[in-house]
Amino acid sequence: SQTIHQWPATLVQPVGSPLSLECTVEGTSNPNLYWYRQAAGRGLQLLFYSVGIGQISSEVPQNLSASRPQDRQFILSSKKLLLSDSGFYLCARTGGSNYGYTFGSGTRLTVV
Amino acid sequence: AQSVTQPDIHITVSEGASLELRCNYSYGATPYLFWYVQSPGQGLQLLLKYFSGDTLVQGIKGFEAEFKRSQSSFNLRKPSVHWSDAAEYFCAVGADASYGKLTFGQGTILTVHP
Repeated sequence: SQTIHQWPATLVQPVGSPLSLECTVEGTSNPNLYWYRQAAGRGLQLLFYSVGIGQISSEVPQNLSASRPQDRQFILSSKKLLLSDSGFYLCARTGGSNYGYTFGSGTRLTVV
Repeated sequence: AQSVTQPDIHITVSEGASLELRCNYSYGATPYLFWYVQSPGQGLQLLLKYFSGDTLVQGIKGFEAEFKRSQSSFNLRKPSVHWSDAAEYFCAVGADASYGKLTFGQGTILTVHP
């Protein structure tokens, strides 16, 4: 199984508050992990990807950061949220016998 | 850099009608192509993928897609749409079958009328 667990499913946070979204994956070890954001009416934008523990690549400069403290754990964080951080955040993985990407069920973040 | 264009933001069809969702990509080498479906508030589910070989690929839920290199297209089709097919559909291109980053199109919202 290449299941991905994301939580929380929905989150409402005030501007300026911190953020921590967690993603854990099952299945084969050493997967590539990804954070995507989907803003309203727009496609998916790759934010970060990781090829191993402690290895993070950022695709776009922004108010967010990512960390991978364990092989199957990927965390998206912010010290101070902006209104523009609102969106639907999806964690994804590659690796394993099922070629392609597996996505989590997502977190709907609303910054108010 | 790779890119994907889905020209149709919103498509409406009647139940039982045929469907074609367009996807055009830009990539310098042989692309790895995917179609995903997303129901409201949910993650993305893989419908089908093309890596090599037969240019007509079959996917889940009765969908198929045809890779046309000369047109840089990978259009998704279904001969008879069901009401449960209403969702948003994303085309994506990757540089590698399983380890590359995916670039997504903007998505096409499909509405199905009874």
